Amino acid sequence: NAGVMQNPRHLVRRRGQEARLRCSPMKGHSHVYWYRQLPEEGLKFMVYLQKENIIDESGMPKERFSAEFPKEGPSILRIQQVVRGDSAAYFCASSPAGQISEAFFGQGTRLTVV
Amino acid sequence: GENVEQHPSTLSVQEGDSAVIKCTYSDSASNYFPWYKQELGKRPQLIIDIRSNVGEKKDQRIAVTLNKTAKHFSLHITETQPEDSAVYFCAASGGGWSGSEKLVFGKGTKLTVNP
Repeated sequence: NAGVMQNPRHLVRRRGQEARLRCSPMKGHSHVYWYRQLPEEGLKFMVYLQKENIIDESGMPKERFSAEFPKEGPSILRIQQVVRGDSAAYFCASSPAGQISEAFFGQGTRLTVV
Repeated sequence: GENVEQHPSTLSVQEGDSAVIKCTYSDSASNYFPWYKQELGKRPQLIIDIRSNVGEKKDQRIAVTLNKTAKHFSLHITETQPEDSAVYFCAASGGGWSGSEKLVFGKGTKLTVNP
């Protein structure tokens, strides 16, 4: 089991471009969580998804951010028209349904907006 | 929604001493409380967790205590070693199927163990 795979590990975007972050959950895990970590700060919940369904998006900014977890393929966190304040580490975690105690984090994608 | 407060934000101890990190939570429905260790540039890793039906749990040099009445829980590390140096995060979760599974994290404690 390769664990939770996130790619890319590092992403540099110019202001105004789009950023796409990918997360492949662990085998057997059906739920995905996205968190954002600003430098020197904790992990802020963004969105919680299962395949083809958003369960909780209460932490997602109202504009420019979207997430999906299609029936086939990885979960995608999309940030449109990036700004410098979007620079952060974005972590994905996955778990089996209803088993948050089995959640496992990926290595994160470090987004830098220049 | 749930709110988790964590103290202290930084903690420096001498090797061999004990370290204690404390967290409080606001939602009495929360029933799952994990602790994560994050080394610089790496992913958060679960080190110990506790559920609300238990008051204390121990794993070698690490222990966690939970006071549901006061809504606070603590991490205790004994006989600290330099490799314990990292940022530690507490978290709380409703742990259920209603969408409350998400983990709400404290802001972290940077622990430095001096040789």
